[in-house]
Amino acid sequence: SAVISQKPSRDICQRGTSLTIQCQVDSQVTMMFWYRQQPGQSLTLIATANQGSEATYESGFVIDKFPISRPNLTFSTLTVSNMSPEDSSIYLCSVVPRAGNTIYFGEGSWLTVV
Amino acid sequence: GESVGLHLPTLSVQEGDNSIINCAYSNSASDYFIWYKQESGKGPQFIIDIRSNMDKRQGQRVTVLLNKTVKHLSLQIAATQPGDSAVYFCAEATGRRALTFGSGTRLQVQP
Repeated sequence: SAVISQKPSRDICQRGTSLTIQCQVDSQVTMMFWYRQQPGQSLTLIATANQGSEATYESGFVIDKFPISRPNLTFSTLTVSNMSPEDSSIYLCSVVPRAGNTIYFGEGSWLTVV
Repeated sequence: GESVGLHLPTLSVQEGDNSIINCAYSNSASDYFIWYKQESGKGPQFIIDIRSNMDKRQGQRVTVLLNKTVKHLSLQIAATQPGDSAVYFCAEATGRRALTFGSGTRLQVQP
């Protein structure tokens, strides 16, 4: 298994500002992903965080709005830029450990934009 | 596009009964399926997974069934307990392990 720590766990943000969310894993992982869960909805994949290269974004998500870094095998960040109330969501980090194929999630970062 | 969906948005069962949550998927290329449980205020918790070369897998009180012919996945929970009350998501993945989630089913366990 993998223990995933996300920071911040919750935040209230002002419209127009940006916030960076951190994802730290206790072991090396092969794959890291970022998901968004809007209120009352299911999870949607934002992007795949690639180590040492640009992230791979899903349709509807762009790098300027959601820049992602992954400097090593255990850490990634997601920035939500120029936030609006529509960005109020839970942002979740997901990983695939080196050993095994099970996909684990962090507890999420709950953002409210006012 | 391809999608994963659920038949029932809310399922209410009596404590001690068995629960069955169903899920339909449409991507025939998917080779890995997972059920997650999400309690209020928490992230998705892994319950059980199954690969496309299997049709049944059992865990502790849970069983996942996969019917590739009709692209159907189900989660069976035996002797449902109040602590099982949560939203359950099915998810499917291809080789790169990026998940497509269903819309979720809320399970309510009545004491």
